Amino acid sequence: QSVLTQPPSVSGAPGQRVTISCTGSSSNIAAGSDVHWYQQLPGTAPKVLIYGDNNRPSGVPDRFSGSKSGTSASLAITGLQAEDEADYYCQSYDSSLSGWVFGGGTKLTVL
Amino acid sequence: EVQLLESGGGLVQPGGSLRLSCAASGFTFSSYGMSWVRQAPGKGLEWVSYSGSGGSTYYVDSVRGRFTISRDNSKNTLYLQMNSLRAEDTAVYYCAKQRGRQYSNYYMDVWGKGTTVTVSS
Repeated sequence: QSVLTQPPSVSGAPGQRVTISCTGSSSNIAAGSDVHWYQQLPGTAPKVLIYGDNNRPSGVPDRFSGSKSGTSASLAITGLQAEDEADYYCQSYDSSLSGWVFGGGTKLTVL
Repeated sequence: EVQLLESGGGLVQPGGSLRLSCAASGFTFSSYGMSWVRQAPGKGLEWVSYSGSGGSTYYVDSVRGRFTISRDNSKNTLYLQMNSLRAEDTAVYYCAKQRGRQYSNYYMDVWGKGTTVTVSS
């Protein structure tokens, strides 16, 4: 059971928009800790996609965006492409655990 | 180019020990916090341990007292000493560089390729 809750899977057709939610609690997201998102392509290490709630590292397309409100955060992907098929993880800091926590991960399937 | 290269993984029996290493290059290693993150087969990511630039260390509850994180800034290397290993410690272990102004906004901006630890008899 992960501290941050994500849907196990989402899917969409090429060109569509999908969102992935990440729900936390009063000791992490609602406490003001930033939310970050990682993309993990099959057989590879994770890569940061969004940091600080809604910031993209250089090289990440603007099709990817992040938002946060209350105890939840979301990752939105517009103009879905086949190469977006991957696992996506949210991450934050939990003050009660004194450590960093991940969501359980969401597998994105491009139909 | 910023790089992290893990080593030291392998097959170990339950109750055994293993030491992982992570060689860093391309950045001022001593100035950054570093973490170990693991991923069990077919499962999600789990943060395991953190080593701060100032010497602070933190652990997830499941490994506290069994694992010890350390760093040698003269060798630009991060370590994870794993003792009393259990089957549930079987995972790919990633080394990651942390970035941010304070713990509540730290994220992992650079990852190694990982090293595989298998605990089995």
